[in-house]
Amino acid sequence: GAVVSQHPSWVICKSGTSVKIECRSLDFQATTMFWYRQFPKQSLMLMATSNEGSKATYEQGVEKDKFLINHASLTLSTLTVTSAHPEDSSFYICSARLGGGGNQPQHFGDGTRLSIL
Amino acid sequence: DQQVKQNSPSLSVQEGRISILNCDYTNSMFDYFLWYKKYPAEGPTFLISISSIKDKNEDGRFTVFLNKSAKHLSLHIVPSQPGDSAVYFCAASQYNFNKFYFGSGTKLNVKP
Repeated sequence: GAVVSQHPSWVICKSGTSVKIECRSLDFQATTMFWYRQFPKQSLMLMATSNEGSKATYEQGVEKDKFLINHASLTLSTLTVTSAHPEDSSFYICSARLGGGGNQPQHFGDGTRLSIL
Repeated sequence: DQQVKQNSPSLSVQEGRISILNCDYTNSMFDYFLWYKKYPAEGPTFLISISSIKDKNEDGRFTVFLNKSAKHLSLHIVPSQPGDSAVYFCAASQYNFNKFYFGSGTKLNVKP
């Protein structure tokens, strides 16, 4: 079945560091990928929709300059948390959806736990 | 404004019995519904989906029921197994729209 790979799975870094998270679709081409954030015991919160070859669409309240998204190919999207601070510590999950329109499930990566000291 | 709600944060069921997880939504434009299963420190895994033209979809031990008039869907797991213990999220979207709306999840514990 469809597989989405996310890397790294865990990051611990100092405040002020920028962190890049990669999301790859391994056996299918994904024109659209999604970035979510999950706080403990809460739902998945959509941060942005990443579109191959064009700018990402950010949800209300998500800082574009803080969370940089690049979707340079049909199999790779990256999320860069710039100048990360402790409040950015969270579980970040990407997902990808098969193209072709219609109803398709999103397939998720295993997530990245980001801890900012 | 949460458009998809799971009002039960947790559910405990004996092995072999039925698990019923519930989900309500408010947007009548939603026409595609999904259930995901999530283990700690992992991403959600797609479980089963249903489109609004159906009221039931079955896949092995998992059945999803959709009641459009009540804006309610449920996931039935029969028989429940200890390996089913996880957090279950329901999600909804509109046809050809990319955005999925997720509920807050229900933690299922299946006791041996």
